[in-house]
Amino acid sequence: QSVLSQPPSASETPGQRVTISCSGSNSNIGSNTVTWYQQLPGTAPKLLIHSNNQRPSGVPDRFSGSKSGTSASLAISGLQSEDEADYYCAAWDDSVNGPVFGGGTKLTVL
Amino acid sequence: QVQLQESGPGLVKPSQTLSVTCTVSRGSINSGSYYWSWIRQTAGKGLEWIGRIYTSGSTIYNPSLKSRVTISIDTAKKQFSLRLTSVTAADTAVYYCARMTMVRGIFDYWGQGTLVTVSS
Repeated sequence: QSVLSQPPSASETPGQRVTISCSGSNSNIGSNTVTWYQQLPGTAPKLLIHSNNQRPSGVPDRFSGSKSGTSASLAISGLQSEDEADYYCAAWDDSVNGPVFGGGTKLTVL
Repeated sequence: QVQLQESGPGLVKPSQTLSVTCTVSRGSINSGSYYWSWIRQTAGKGLEWIGRIYTSGSTIYNPSLKSRVTISIDTAKKQFSLRLTSVTAADTAVYYCARMTMVRGIFDYWGQGTLVTVSS
């Protein structure tokens, strides 16, 4: 049982836009920034979005993040087949004194 | 670009101690701006942060594992290590090492992960 809540799966066709939600509480998302990681099949997670909406160098601007209250969202526009992956949200949790994760959302590009 | 590589036993018997080491290359383990962390990924619980260590040796552990975890660092060898005692099948997971920013706890570089199975 993960601390942050995500839908287990999402799907959309190529070229379309998909959003993935992440829900937490006051001790994590409500008082700290949100990070998103992308995990391609058989690989380690990779930093995708940090500080709610900041993309590291090399991440396409098709990926965007937002946060409101104790929830956050990841949006992917212009979906491509290579976007098929697991996506995890994370946030610092003041009660854990460390990061906590969502359970992950498996994105299928139909 | 920092690279991290885990090494571990692959198989550990129940009640024994799991030990995994991470070697840092192409970057300094002595960087003052980062912590070095362990994270595990299980089929049932997803990603779980285990704990972190600073170059000084100071540590913080996830309260859920604190009683069984020790993280240590050897800056001369550019390595940091994880020990998890009294393991059970529930500790079967892919163990990742990662660099964590001091601000906001962002994991910006990850190792490839090592699968550790707990079984007799």
